[in-house]
Amino acid sequence: GAVVSQHPSWVICKSGTSVKIECRSLDFQATTMFWYRQFPKQSLMLMATSNEGSKATYEQGVEKDKFLINHASLTLSTLTVTSAHPEDSSFYICSANGDRAYEQYFGPGTRLTVT
Amino acid sequence: AQSVTQLGSHVSVSEGALVLLRCNYSSSVPPYLFWYVQYPNQGLQLLLKYTSAATLVKGINGFEAEFKKSETSFHLTKPSAHMSDAAEYFCAVSEKDFGNEKLTFGTGTRLTIIP
Repeated sequence: GAVVSQHPSWVICKSGTSVKIECRSLDFQATTMFWYRQFPKQSLMLMATSNEGSKATYEQGVEKDKFLINHASLTLSTLTVTSAHPEDSSFYICSANGDRAYEQYFGPGTRLTVT
Repeated sequence: AQSVTQLGSHVSVSEGALVLLRCNYSSSVPPYLFWYVQYPNQGLQLLLKYTSAATLVKGINGFEAEFKKSETSFHLTKPSAHMSDAAEYFCAVSEKDFGNEKLTFGTGTRLTIIP
């Protein structure tokens, strides 16, 4: 139980284009989902917290207009990187809260490369 | 504010030897503490968690960790290292609160197993 999937697992896009990453909780309902960014050989940095049906809460320094987050249902949250640039290339990981609010289940991650 | 310090970004042990990965935390309230493992190009897998029950927590794959309030530590141990333990390990803290549970991660420790 408590499986979180991400799609795509990797994506290459051209500079200036937008790319959408999906995060799904497969066997549970997630009222809260989290988006993290991880640079090579570094730790996870929380980008934003999204609650179903409401606007996401972004961490300081994260551009909300660049990283659009939508949490339209209890099983799906999406992260759209708009007007992507090479410096946006990173590993993006989502997680979701299950029944226990303190427990987060992580997706397998999406590697984004912007050329 | 909560924070996590992992001493040693790289740890190497021989196969069969004791694994000890150090984690110290700072939290203004009683914390929840977690250890996660990450294999290359994958998301995070929960090894174990401390949620104010027993101070010695047993996790998957033979790992365990002990919560020591007086030392603000939550070190991860395994009596006998296996080659498959080679991975990146992250310690994380979440403050007890109802609502959105933010995880704060340490910088990670890369564990290498020497044959």
